[in-house]
Amino acid sequence: AQTVTQSQPEMSVQEAETVTLSCTYDTSENNYYLFWYKQPPSRQMILVIRQEAYKQQNATENRFSVNFQKAAKSFSLKISDSQLGDTAMYFCALDFTQGGSEKLVFGKGTKLTVNP
Amino acid sequence: NAGVMQNPRHLVRRRGQEARLRCSPMKGHSHVYWYRQLPEEGLKFMVYLQKENIIDESGMPKERFSAEFPKEGPSILRIQQVVRGDSAAYFCASSPPRFTGGAGNIQYFGAGTRLSVL
Repeated sequence: AQTVTQSQPEMSVQEAETVTLSCTYDTSENNYYLFWYKQPPSRQMILVIRQEAYKQQNATENRFSVNFQKAAKSFSLKISDSQLGDTAMYFCALDFTQGGSEKLVFGKGTKLTVNP
Repeated sequence: NAGVMQNPRHLVRRRGQEARLRCSPMKGHSHVYWYRQLPEEGLKFMVYLQKENIIDESGMPKERFSAEFPKEGPSILRIQQVVRGDSAAYFCASSPPRFTGGAGNIQYFGAGTRLSVL
Protein backbone atom coordinates (compact mmCIF):
# COMPACT_ATOMS: atom_id res chain seq x y z
CA ALA A 1 0.00 0.00 0.00
CA GLN A 2 1.12 3.54 -0.69
CA THR A 3 1.06 6.01 2.20
CA VAL A 4 2.03 9.64 2.71
CA THR A 5 2.63 11.11 6.15
CA GLN A 6 2.86 14.76 7.07
CA SER A 7 3.77 14.97 10.74
CA GLN A 8 3.28 18.71 11.22
CA PRO A 9 -0.42 19.64 11.36
CA GLU A 10 0.36 23.35 11.72
CA MET A 11 3.35 25.63 11.31
CA SER A 12 3.94 29.35 11.34
CA VAL A 13 6.73 31.55 10.04
CA GLN A 14 7.53 35.24 9.94
CA GLU A 15 7.34 37.02 6.64
CA ALA A 16 10.65 36.89 4.70
CA GLU A 17 11.94 33.92 6.69
CA THR A 18 12.43 30.33 5.58
CA VAL A 19 10.29 27.37 6.57
CA THR A 20 10.53 23.64 5.86
CA LEU A 21 7.54 21.31 5.71
CA SER A 22 8.13 17.59 6.23
CA CYS A 23 6.76 14.64 4.31
CA THR A 24 7.56 10.94 4.36
CA TYR A 25 6.07 8.30 2.14
CA ASP A 26 6.02 4.58 1.56
CA THR A 27 5.69 2.74 -1.71
CA SER A 28 6.87 -0.47 -3.30
CA GLU A 29 6.67 1.06 -6.79
CA ASN A 30 9.83 1.96 -8.68
CA ASN A 31 8.23 4.48 -11.02
CA TYR A 32 6.63 7.29 -9.09
CA TYR A 33 6.57 11.04 -8.73
CA LEU A 34 6.13 13.30 -5.74
CA PHE A 35 4.23 16.56 -5.63
CA TRP A 36 3.52 19.41 -3.30
CA TYR A 37 0.15 21.09 -3.72
CA LYS A 38 -1.01 24.29 -2.03
CA GLN A 39 -4.62 24.87 -0.98
CA PRO A 40 -5.35 28.50 0.02
CA PRO A 41 -8.62 29.48 1.71
CA SER A 42 -10.27 29.58 -1.71
CA ARG A 43 -9.89 25.75 -1.68
CA GLN A 44 -8.31 25.69 -5.14
CA MET A 45 -5.57 23.04 -5.32
CA ILE A 46 -2.47 24.60 -6.86
CA LEU A 47 0.60 22.64 -7.95
CA VAL A 48 3.73 23.96 -6.24
CA ILE A 49 6.48 21.58 -7.33
CA ARG A 50 7.08 18.13 -8.82
CA GLN A 51 9.92 15.65 -8.31
CA GLU A 52 10.70 12.61 -10.44
CA ALA A 53 11.82 9.72 -8.24
CA TYR A 54 14.55 8.59 -10.60
CA LYS A 55 16.19 12.01 -10.61
CA GLN A 56 18.65 12.67 -7.82
CA GLN A 57 18.66 16.42 -8.38
CA ASN A 58 16.24 18.25 -6.13
CA ALA A 59 13.50 20.19 -7.91
CA THR A 60 13.39 23.97 -7.55
CA GLU A 61 10.67 26.43 -8.52
CA ASN A 62 11.52 30.05 -7.65
CA ARG A 63 11.26 30.34 -3.83
CA PHE A 64 10.20 26.70 -3.46
CA SER A 65 12.64 23.80 -3.35
CA VAL A 66 12.57 20.23 -2.14
CA ASN A 67 14.95 17.97 -0.27
CA PHE A 68 14.35 14.54 -1.76
CA GLN A 69 15.98 11.67 0.12
CA LYS A 70 14.93 8.55 -1.78
CA ALA A 71 16.49 5.97 0.52
CA ALA A 72 14.83 7.56 3.54
CA LYS A 73 11.58 8.10 1.57
CA SER A 74 11.55 11.71 2.62
CA PHE A 75 10.36 14.67 0.57
CA SER A 76 10.42 18.01 2.40
CA LEU A 77 9.43 21.39 0.99
CA LYS A 78 11.45 24.51 1.71
CA ILE A 79 9.87 27.92 1.22
CA SER A 80 12.37 30.78 1.17
CA ASP A 81 11.53 34.45 1.69
CA SER A 82 8.04 33.57 2.90
CA GLN A 83 5.23 35.85 1.75
CA LEU A 84 1.79 36.48 3.21
CA GLY A 85 0.28 34.84 0.12
CA ASP A 86 1.99 31.59 1.05
CA THR A 87 -0.51 31.13 3.88
CA ALA A 88 -2.35 27.93 2.96
CA MET A 89 -2.68 24.20 3.54
CA TYR A 90 0.17 22.31 1.92
CA PHE A 91 -0.31 18.73 0.80
CA CYS A 92 2.37 16.26 -0.12
CA ALA A 93 1.26 13.69 -2.71
CA LEU A 94 2.62 10.48 -4.21
CA ASP A 95 1.80 9.78 -7.85
CA PHE A 96 2.07 6.21 -9.06
CA THR A 97 0.72 3.86 -11.68
CA GLN A 98 -0.74 0.46 -10.99
CA GLY A 99 -2.59 -1.88 -13.33
CA GLY A 100 -3.10 0.75 -16.00
CA SER A 101 -4.35 3.33 -13.54
CA GLU A 102 -2.64 6.43 -12.20
CA LYS A 103 -3.61 8.16 -8.99
CA LEU A 104 -2.43 10.53 -6.30
CA VAL A 105 -2.19 9.60 -2.62
CA PHE A 106 -2.21 12.64 -0.37
CA GLY A 107 -0.98 13.32 3.13
CA LYS A 108 -3.27 15.02 5.65
CA GLY A 109 -1.68 18.38 5.08
CA THR A 110 0.20 21.06 6.98
CA LYS A 111 -1.47 24.37 7.70
CA LEU A 112 1.09 27.12 7.17
CA THR A 113 0.55 30.63 8.46
CA VAL A 114 2.87 33.43 7.42
CA ASN A 115 2.83 36.25 9.96
CA PRO A 116 3.56 39.89 9.08
CA ASN B 1 -7.00 28.22 -21.68
CA ALA B 2 -9.69 27.89 -19.05
CA GLY B 3 -8.89 25.71 -16.09
CA VAL B 4 -10.86 22.77 -14.77
CA MET B 5 -14.42 23.95 -14.15
CA GLN B 6 -16.57 22.43 -11.46
CA ASN B 7 -20.15 23.29 -10.69
CA PRO B 8 -21.88 23.99 -8.54
CA ARG B 9 -19.40 25.39 -5.99
CA HIS B 10 -21.83 24.63 -3.20
CA LEU B 11 -24.61 22.08 -3.16
CA VAL B 12 -27.09 21.51 -0.36
CA ARG B 13 -29.17 18.36 -0.31
CA ARG B 14 -31.48 16.73 2.18
CA ARG B 15 -30.95 13.15 3.20
CA GLY B 16 -32.29 10.78 0.55
CA GLN B 17 -31.96 13.21 -2.36
CA GLU B 18 -29.59 12.87 -5.29
CA ALA B 19 -26.47 14.97 -5.83
CA ARG B 20 -24.96 15.59 -9.27
CA LEU B 21 -21.53 17.17 -9.47
CA ARG B 22 -20.15 18.34 -12.79
CA CYS B 23 -16.62 18.70 -14.03
CA SER B 24 -15.40 20.12 -17.34
CA PRO B 25 -11.73 19.25 -17.89
CA MET B 26 -9.16 21.59 -19.36
CA LYS B 27 -9.18 21.82 -23.14
CA GLY B 28 -7.26 18.92 -24.67
CA HIS B 29 -7.40 16.81 -21.51
CA SER B 30 -8.92 13.37 -21.88
CA HIS B 31 -8.39 12.07 -18.34
CA VAL B 32 -10.54 12.96 -15.36
CA TYR B 33 -10.07 12.06 -11.70
CA TRP B 34 -12.43 12.57 -8.77
CA TYR B 35 -11.23 13.00 -5.18
CA ARG B 36 -13.09 13.54 -1.92
CA GLN B 37 -11.84 15.70 0.94
CA LEU B 38 -13.34 15.30 4.38
CA PRO B 39 -12.81 18.09 6.95
CA GLU B 40 -9.23 18.25 8.26
CA GLU B 41 -8.16 15.51 5.85
CA GLY B 42 -6.21 15.20 2.62
CA LEU B 43 -7.84 14.31 -0.66
CA LYS B 44 -8.80 10.67 -1.21
CA PHE B 45 -8.91 9.14 -4.68
CA MET B 46 -12.32 7.96 -5.85
CA VAL B 47 -12.31 7.26 -9.58
CA TYR B 48 -10.26 7.72 -12.76
CA LEU B 49 -12.01 8.03 -16.12
CA GLN B 50 -11.18 8.53 -19.74
CA LYS B 51 -13.74 9.44 -22.37
CA GLU B 52 -16.55 6.84 -22.15
CA ASN B 53 -14.43 4.53 -19.96
CA ILE B 54 -13.96 3.98 -16.25
CA ILE B 55 -10.32 3.06 -15.76
CA ASP B 56 -10.18 2.71 -11.98
CA GLU B 57 -13.04 3.05 -9.50
CA SER B 58 -11.27 1.37 -6.60
CA GLY B 59 -11.77 4.37 -4.30
CA MET B 60 -15.47 4.78 -4.88
CA PRO B 61 -18.07 3.33 -2.49
CA LYS B 62 -19.79 0.35 -4.09
CA GLU B 63 -23.28 1.64 -3.50
CA ARG B 64 -24.98 4.95 -4.30
CA PHE B 65 -21.95 6.45 -6.10
CA SER B 66 -21.38 6.45 -9.84
CA ALA B 67 -19.29 8.43 -12.30
CA GLU B 68 -19.26 8.94 -16.03
CA PHE B 69 -17.30 10.88 -18.61
CA PRO B 70 -19.32 10.83 -21.83
CA LYS B 71 -18.01 11.47 -25.31
CA GLU B 72 -19.62 14.90 -25.23
CA GLY B 73 -20.12 17.03 -22.17
CA PRO B 74 -18.73 17.16 -18.66
CA SER B 75 -17.85 14.36 -16.30
CA ILE B 76 -20.57 13.69 -13.73
CA LEU B 77 -20.20 12.31 -10.22
CA ARG B 78 -23.59 11.13 -9.03
CA ILE B 79 -24.50 10.31 -5.45
CA GLN B 80 -27.89 8.75 -4.91
CA GLN B 81 -29.83 8.84 -1.64
CA VAL B 82 -27.27 11.06 0.08
CA VAL B 83 -26.52 10.64 3.78
CA ARG B 84 -24.87 13.05 6.22
CA GLY B 85 -21.57 11.19 5.88
CA ASP B 86 -21.41 12.24 2.21
CA SER B 87 -20.87 15.85 3.27
CA ALA B 88 -17.43 16.76 1.95
CA ALA B 89 -15.60 18.72 -0.71
CA TYR B 90 -15.40 16.86 -4.01
CA PHE B 91 -12.55 17.75 -6.34
CA CYS B 92 -12.13 16.96 -9.98
CA ALA B 93 -8.77 16.96 -11.73
CA SER B 94 -7.84 16.51 -15.37
CA SER B 95 -4.66 15.61 -17.20
CA PRO B 96 -3.57 15.37 -20.83
CA PRO B 97 -3.28 12.03 -22.68
CA ARG B 98 -0.59 9.74 -21.30
CA PHE B 99 2.03 8.87 -23.85
CA THR B 100 3.88 6.43 -21.64
CA GLY B 101 2.77 3.89 -19.10
CA GLY B 102 4.56 5.68 -16.33
CA ALA B 103 3.50 8.14 -13.68
CA GLY B 104 4.13 11.88 -13.62
CA ASN B 105 1.14 13.17 -15.53
CA ILE B 106 0.32 16.47 -13.85
CA GLN B 107 -3.24 16.64 -12.59
CA TYR B 108 -4.84 20.08 -12.68
CA PHE B 109 -7.56 20.60 -10.13
CA GLY B 110 -10.83 22.46 -10.13
CA ALA B 111 -11.99 24.55 -7.19
CA GLY B 112 -14.17 21.75 -5.85
CA THR B 113 -17.83 21.32 -4.98
CA ARG B 114 -18.75 21.48 -1.32
CA LEU B 115 -21.65 19.14 -0.66
CA SER B 116 -23.67 19.66 2.50
CA VAL B 117 -26.27 17.09 3.46
CA LEU B 118 -28.93 18.28 5.90
